[in-house]
Amino acid sequence: DQQVKQNSPSLSVQEGRISILNCDYTNSMFDYFLWYKKYPAEGPTFLISISSIKDKNEDGRFTVFLNKSAKHLSLHIVPSQPGDSAVYFCAARVFNTGGFKTIFGAGTRLFVKA
Amino acid sequence: DTGVSQNPRHKITKRGQNVTFRCDPISEHNRLYWYRQTLGQGPEFLTYFQNEAQLEKSRLLSDRFSAERPKGSFSTLEIQRTEQGDSAMYLCASSLGFMQSGANVLTFGAGSRLTVL
Repeated sequence: DQQVKQNSPSLSVQEGRISILNCDYTNSMFDYFLWYKKYPAEGPTFLISISSIKDKNEDGRFTVFLNKSAKHLSLHIVPSQPGDSAVYFCAARVFNTGGFKTIFGAGTRLFVKA
Repeated sequence: DTGVSQNPRHKITKRGQNVTFRCDPISEHNRLYWYRQTLGQGPEFLTYFQNEAQLEKSRLLSDRFSAERPKGSFSTLEIQRTEQGDSAMYLCASSLGFMQSGANVLTFGAGSRLTVL
């Protein structure tokens, strides 16, 4: 039961252009969505989040858009830089009787070419 | 604070052996999570602690897996009678939060890679 889906395993973008990473979800009980970035040999690190009651959150070069009706969110990186090359995980938080749980997608590997 | 620390970083073991991983979270964090990641997949939730209480266990966590967090500080994840299918990266994460406020941002360790021969 894959509740968070990232259908693009990889994405290649030229330096300076926009990178758009997409994510779809199925569970309408998710109340926060997060993006994490992962470099090789390191654990994932938090990038940006958005509450389910918002439709946009911006932090510097990173903007996350949420379309609740479509159960879709996207991460925009502009301008893309070579240091952005990493695996990006879309994640969603759900609160249930056991407490908080964060569900991750399979990830999208971003290559930013200089 | 050095972040979330996991040991050992790499473990190679023979099938049938027991292994134990340790996680030291950020000291003031009250929540601790264990995830498993295999090649090409995202982190899969295994179990979660709020302070010393284990609040949820995934169906992925068979009876061979056990996790503890004594005194609400460090945590251990033990796998008994390892199988080749247990080969994966085991990630620990911690967070600070109360009730439902905030996004519950996770701080991950670098992981413990298990190879079962």
